[in-house]
Amino acid sequence: AQKITQTQPGMFVQEKEAVTLDCTYDTSDPSYGLFWYKQPSSGEMIFLIYQGSYDQQNATEGRYSLNFQKARKSANLVISASQLGDSAMYFCAMRLTGFQKLVFGTGTRLLVSP
Amino acid sequence: GAVVSQHPSWVICKSGTSVKIECRSLDFQATTMFWYRQFPKQSLMLMATSNEGSKATYEQGVEKDKFLINHASLTLSTLTVTSAHPEDSSFYICSARTGLAGGPSTGELFFGEGSRLTVL
Repeated sequence: AQKITQTQPGMFVQEKEAVTLDCTYDTSDPSYGLFWYKQPSSGEMIFLIYQGSYDQQNATEGRYSLNFQKARKSANLVISASQLGDSAMYFCAMRLTGFQKLVFGTGTRLLVSP
Repeated sequence: GAVVSQHPSWVICKSGTSVKIECRSLDFQATTMFWYRQFPKQSLMLMATSNEGSKATYEQGVEKDKFLINHASLTLSTLTVTSAHPEDSSFYICSARTGLAGGPSTGELFFGEGSRLTVL
C-alpha cells in the first residue's frame, strides 16, 4: 500500500526567503503521480504542482518547484521568495496510475513572517 | 479552470438529525467524485469514491449506512450524514475528477471549498 510521510509539522520562514517542505513516499508501483496542495485557513484545497513518476525533469510552477528524487522516494516542495500569503497548511499526496484516490500526508504548517 | 462547489459551507445541526452536503462540478462532467473527511489539524482521509450511476465505494472503517452517498448525475454528488452525533463534527471536502482517461496528470482532480459540520 502506498504511504506519504511529511515529517515537518511546522516550518517558519521569513518573507522573501526560500523554504523546502519535505515529503517522502512509499510504493512498489512504478507508475504514480505526486501532488502538492495548499490549504489556507479557509479550508479549500489549492493544487500547486504535480510530478509524474516518469517525468524526466523536476516540475516547476511559478515560485513552486518540486525536488523529485526518485531513488530516495522524495518529492520535496520548494517555495522561492516566500510571501505572507504563503502561510497555510501544505499537503503532499500520491496517486497510483489506474487508481483514483489520492493518499495524503499529514501536512506541514508553514508560517511566513515579515 | 474547472470549479467544484460545495454547499453548505457551514452547517450546525442537532444530534440525531440528518444533514445533506452537496458537491457540484460547475463547468465539467465529473464521472467520479471523492468525499474526504478532515479532523482539526489533521490530514484528509478518503471516505468514499462516488461514481455516477453506481453505488459508492467506501473505504475501510467508514459506515455506509451512516454516510450515504448519492451520485445521481454527472455534476452532482451528495453526502448525507444520517442521525448525526457530535463525533461526526468535522470538515468534509469533496473532489471531482473529469472523465479523462489515462494515467495521473494535472488538471484531473478539483476540490470543493469544504463543508464544516458541527453537531450539537
